[in-house]
Amino acid sequence: DAGVIQSPRHEVTEMGQEVTLRCKPISGHDYLFWYRQTMMRGLELLIYFNNNVPIDDSGMPEDRFSAKMPNASFSTLKIQPSEPRDSAVYFCASTLARVGSNEQFFGPGTRLTVL
Amino acid sequence: GNSVTQMEGPVTLSEEAFLTINCTYTATGYPSLFWYVQYPGEGLQLLLKATKADDKGSNKGFEATYRKETTSFHLEKGSVQVSDSAVYFCALSGYQAGTALIFGKGTTLSVSS
Repeated sequence: DAGVIQSPRHEVTEMGQEVTLRCKPISGHDYLFWYRQTMMRGLELLIYFNNNVPIDDSGMPEDRFSAKMPNASFSTLKIQPSEPRDSAVYFCASTLARVGSNEQFFGPGTRLTVL
Repeated sequence: GNSVTQMEGPVTLSEEAFLTINCTYTATGYPSLFWYVQYPGEGLQLLLKATKADDKGSNKGFEATYRKETTSFHLEKGSVQVSDSAVYFCALSGYQAGTALIFGKGTTLSVSS
């Protein structure tokens, strides 16, 4: 299996621009998670999906952030408009959830820099 | 709510030294516990896990035991290598299927030869 795939690996953009991050989960996994990692705040859960349906988006920082999962093999995280404080590494993770075992598999991340 | 507290870093050791990274948690019910490792420029990889009290997770010479009485899951390795230099995250999830992971802030380990 190829693992969780994220693209792009690096993104540099200017303040005010729209940014779209992409994720392909591991085939057969039924949960998908988006995290953000910064030095100041560590790893933060932004949103997660079960069978393509958003379950908890309470971690999404503000309305500029949105996430979709149109099918079981693809998800996007969009920031519009972007701001310098959005600079971070964004991770996607997926899991096949079972009682007593919620191990998640992470992608390599997208390093976003907003100038 | 559920939370994870792990020791602040950075931790700097010489090769072959003994490693302990402390992790304690607060949770209701019967959480599962994890250690993830992040090498520079990469995503997080599962290092080991334990799903019930007194379970010991182990991998690549690392071990951690799920201690419910002390709500701890300390990571240990008897002899570290330079290649172990990375950031280590303690995490927990609820027992129910599909609950999200809650991470500690991470501990940076630097091993010198």
